[in-house]
Amino acid sequence: KQEVTQIPAALSVPEGENLVLNCSFTDSAIYNLQWFRQDPGKGLTSLLLIQSSQREQTSGRLNASLDKSSGRSTLYIAASQPGDSATYLCAADTGRRALTFGSGTRLQVQP
Amino acid sequence: SQTIHQWPATLVQPVGSPLSLECTVEGTSNPNLYWYRQAAGRGLQLLFYSVGIGQISSEVPQNLSASRPQDRQFILSSKKLLLSDSGFYLCAWSLTSGGINEQFFGPGTRLTVL
Repeated sequence: KQEVTQIPAALSVPEGENLVLNCSFTDSAIYNLQWFRQDPGKGLTSLLLIQSSQREQTSGRLNASLDKSSGRSTLYIAASQPGDSATYLCAADTGRRALTFGSGTRLQVQP
Repeated sequence: SQTIHQWPATLVQPVGSPLSLECTVEGTSNPNLYWYRQAAGRGLQLLFYSVGIGQISSEVPQNLSASRPQDRQFILSSKKLLLSDSGFYLCAWSLTSGGINEQFFGPGTRLTVL
C-alpha cells in the first residue's frame, strides 16, 4: 500500500528566502507525482505534475524534482513571498485512479 | 477551458438527516470524476470515483453513496448523516491521456453534522 509522507508539517520563513518542501513515498512504482496548493477553506490548486519518466518540472518560481529510486520528491520555491503562504500537498499516482496524498506542509511566509 | 463547480459551499445538517452534494464539470467530455473527503488534521481520502455515466467505484465502505446521472455531473448522497461525516468534501476531475491522470479539484463543500 502506497504511503506518502511530507516533512516538515509546518514551516515559517521570512520573505525572500528560498525553501524546499519534501515528499517521500514508499512504493516507487508510480505513474506521476502531483504537487498542489491549498489555501484555508479552499479547494486544491494543481501546481506541477511530474511524470515518472521525468526528473523535474518548473513553473515560474516553482521547481519540483522526482527521484523514483529513492522515493522522494521536492518542491523548491524561490524568493518566497507572503502570497505563497498556504498548505502544500503532494500526491502519488499509482495507476489505481486514486491519488495517495501526504498530510501536507503548512507554509507561512512572513513579510 | 475547463471549470468545476460544487454546491453548496457550506452545509450544516443534523444527525440522521439526508445529504446531497453536487459537482458539475464544464468544458470537457467523459471525464473521470472523484469524491474526496478531507477531515480535520487528516489527509485526503478518496470516497468514490467514476469513469463514465452510471459507473461508480467505492473506495471506502460507509453510509455514503454516489451517482453519476449525466456525463459531467457527480452527486454524493447519504440517507442518514453521522457525526463522523463532518468534513470538507472535494470533487475532482481528470482525463487519462498517455498514462497521465492529472486531477483538478473543485472549491469544496464544508459539511458540519451536529
